Amino acid sequence: LAKTTQPISMDSYEGQEVNITCSHNNIATNDYITWYQQFPSQGPRFIIQGYKTKVTNEVASLFIPADRKSSTLSLPRVSLSDTAVYYCLVPNTNAGKSTFGDGTTLTVKP
Amino acid sequence: NAGVTQTPKFQVLKTGQSMTLQCAQDMNHEYMSWYRQDPGMGLRLIHYSVGAGITDQGEVPNGYNVSRSTTEDFPLRLLSAAPSQTSVYFCASSRNGRLAGGTDTQYFGPGTRLTVL
Repeated sequence: LAKTTQPISMDSYEGQEVNITCSHNNIATNDYITWYQQFPSQGPRFIIQGYKTKVTNEVASLFIPADRKSSTLSLPRVSLSDTAVYYCLVPNTNAGKSTFGDGTTLTVKP
Repeated sequence: NAGVTQTPKFQVLKTGQSMTLQCAQDMNHEYMSWYRQDPGMGLRLIHYSVGAGITDQGEVPNGYNVSRSTTEDFPLRLLSAAPSQTSVYFCASSRNGRLAGGTDTQYFGPGTRLTVL
């Protein structure tokens, strides 16, 4: 299975840009990279998805280098409400199932 | 659209009891899956289904059964509850799953918090 590695936790302050990097050395050719956000007592929800280079939406940007062995989620100007756990997911389409890592707990301080 | 719904929200069982966690989606998604999340941990895949009548095991399938008789429903059965199964259980669905080449977005239910005494 494609395994992902992320930092366990990160701290930031309101208004700062936060970058969370995920390693996925065994990513398959067809695999996209998807990031999810999870608040306490809720299920994860989709943030952004990409295959290569850069993807941007109204919430975040996703940077993927040419070798695709890692990806970086960028959250611009975080607020207290961005405090959550962020998961990088590589679906491993060859195996037909997805595996979540342990995620990164982001704490935004005032 | 209600999205992905799960019942019950909370459940307390005694060791050895059995029960079924219900999951339903109204988005006509082919792919459905069950995860468990232990305190402070990530999500671990229990079982998944790529369509009605087809199920397969995930990372931690022992002690759980699933069936997929319809596209909408994907119940998870605990055969004989054990304290190690105390966890929060999430059901998720996506349009095509593996067949979409990994581009599918998973939609998660609100979870069922299970305690086994």
